[in-house]
Amino acid sequence: AQSVTQLGSHVSVSEGALVLLRCNYSSSVPPYLFWYVQYPNQGLQLLLKYTTGATLVKGINGFEAEFKKSETSFHLTKPSAHMSDAAEYFCAVSFTGTASKLTFGTGTRLQVTL
Amino acid sequence: NAGVTQTPKFQVLKTGQSMTLQCAQDMNHEYMSWYRQDPGMGLRLIHYSVGAGITDQGEVPNGYNVSRSTTEDFPLRLLSAAPSQTSVYFCASRLRAPGEQYFGPGTRLTVT
Repeated sequence: AQSVTQLGSHVSVSEGALVLLRCNYSSSVPPYLFWYVQYPNQGLQLLLKYTTGATLVKGINGFEAEFKKSETSFHLTKPSAHMSDAAEYFCAVSFTGTASKLTFGTGTRLQVTL
Repeated sequence: NAGVTQTPKFQVLKTGQSMTLQCAQDMNHEYMSWYRQDPGMGLRLIHYSVGAGITDQGEVPNGYNVSRSTTEDFPLRLLSAAPSQTSVYFCASRLRAPGEQYFGPGTRLTVT
């Protein structure tokens, strides 16, 4: 069965510091990978996605993620955190053949401090 | 386009009551899904649909029914509400896999 694991339910960084949110998946077939962001009391918004092609994917708000097949990872990074980045971030995965289903990780809450 | 709309935004039910959460999208998307979000558990798929007249169960379907009579609408019915169904419910749609999934603003449901 497909699954996705997000390491760290809470991450705190200083403004201007590197953001690194970790996501690992388990699969025996090529995955489609997504990162979503949820601001307080709102729905989820797509940050970026990997389907095929280039393994380094750039998204909105300066975020990017790299698909590493050998490590079964899709970590989210941003070089310099901004206060407005404080939100909850979800990694999600789907697969060929079950592409109508999206499986989410449990989320990582990012706190940005001055 | 309004995108994905959900009503109501908030609802309080007593145990045993039934209700329908409404979801509509105006993007002509094939796929629609219902999720529930609970603290520390991420989003869990309740039911989904790959087109009008076609629905299937997700990870946590018990206690919920869905139907898809039109492309636009995908209501979620709680048959007999239980406190365990207290949650935030999100409806989502996408044109086709593996495209971007668009989420509604959510419905916060409390069952007492």
